[in-house]
Amino acid sequence: GQQLNQSPQSMFIQEGEDVSMNCTSSSIFNTWLWYKQDPGEGPVLLIALYKAGELTSNGRLTAQFGITRKDSFLNISASIPSDVGIYFCAGPLSGGGADGLTFGKGTHLIIQP
Amino acid sequence: DTEVTQTPKHLVMGMTNKKSLKCEQHMGHRAMYWYKQKAKKPPELMFVYSYEKLSINESVPSRFSPECPNSSLLNLHLHALQPEDSALYLCASSQDRVLNSPLHFGNGTRLTVT
Repeated sequence: GQQLNQSPQSMFIQEGEDVSMNCTSSSIFNTWLWYKQDPGEGPVLLIALYKAGELTSNGRLTAQFGITRKDSFLNISASIPSDVGIYFCAGPLSGGGADGLTFGKGTHLIIQP
Repeated sequence: DTEVTQTPKHLVMGMTNKKSLKCEQHMGHRAMYWYKQKAKKPPELMFVYSYEKLSINESVPSRFSPECPNSSLLNLHLHALQPEDSALYLCASSQDRVLNSPLHFGNGTRLTVT
């Protein structure tokens, strides 16, 4: 099946630092989604991208849909303690719009005081 | 608060038990999903219902049986599970196909099989 390669696997940063993570795929995706999951909760949608080259912001979060449609990145500026969690990229299972999402392996963000 | 409600939050069951997980959404979404998530792993798709019809079964063992009684409800019936089935079971919904509408997740049911 399709695989999303997400990196880094984990990040240890200081509060106030900027964060960057990315996802790549060998297949073309027509949609890229970024989710955050806190312990004991379900994933929460952060940003949805639907067009190649699209750059979208949500507060301190910025995500881009790569022009080749095979990659996406998520940036977090000026990190704060509540940014701790696992961040997942996701895309449609077949890349062409079939139902269901496939997820990257996640980036575990840890903020040191 | 999530708009996808899952019950129960926690469930402990023996391998001979029969239990059901329930999921409800009132956003008018026409697609609903079951995902399984093991610790520190991404969610893995199990089933997709589109307009109350099962459209995807990702080779899930028959001891898991989904049911979609109406467009707002999704159940997952469990029977003769194994300890390795212990996981977080997530329900999600979307307005339409994933290409155009993102999934919204519930907070899951933490299942432990003893």
